[in-house]
Amino acid sequence: QVQLVQSGADVKKPGASVKVSCRASGYPFTAYYIHWVRQAPGQRLEWMGRINPNSGGTSYAQKFQGRVTMTTDTSISTAYMDLSRLRSDDTAVYYCARDWREIPNTEDLFDYWGQGTLVTVSS
Amino acid sequence: EIVLTQSPATLSLSPGERATLSCRASQSVSNYLAWYQQKPGQAPRLLIYDASNRATGIPARFSASGSGTDFTLTISSLEPEDFAVYYCQQRSNWPSFGGGTKVDIK
Repeated sequence: QVQLVQSGADVKKPGASVKVSCRASGYPFTAYYIHWVRQAPGQRLEWMGRINPNSGGTSYAQKFQGRVTMTTDTSISTAYMDLSRLRSDDTAVYYCARDWREIPNTEDLFDYWGQGTLVTVSS
Repeated sequence: EIVLTQSPATLSLSPGERATLSCRASQSVSNYLAWYQQKPGQAPRLLIYDASNRATGIPARFSASGSGTDFTLTISSLEPEDFAVYYCQQRSNWPSFGGGTKVDIK
């Protein structure tokens, strides 16, 4: 069965960077886009961007341009989301999610999700 | 950026009752509107895509309608497992989500 398993919770100081991993199994990793979505406490879900594991091509939400980097390691079916220059308002649960349509298409619909990774930014 | 506004923020109902949730877009999203259910401590689950189509495995008590800027999710008869937060999401432009409607037990 399709599974996305994320790395554990992390605590960072303001100004630092965080890297969250998302290991996929149960399907061909290079066949579907991976998206990253975050949810700050009491806030709505927020789409951060997507990556094509086949080509490495990325699209980022304007809000995160310049601060986020999404990568994949196809040898271990794992996607990564790196967020730099952290601020307190980056405290959130970060989710990876699979696009439900096979590459080359993307429909920005999310059919499988990771369990979420809590990133806390605090001095 | 397309802003989605959900109402009401909270809906207090009893099991067996009908739930009607609303999602309004700041500009037309055609039918590119999805609904997700999220329970505490869990990731969201896709319920509805393209305004009115149930995702695989979603019970028939969930239905949805709408196009353009106004959308509705209806749960015909609430089961105990349906008490959760529901989010709408558009994919007409860069994806965005509504603020959610919490359906809780009256």
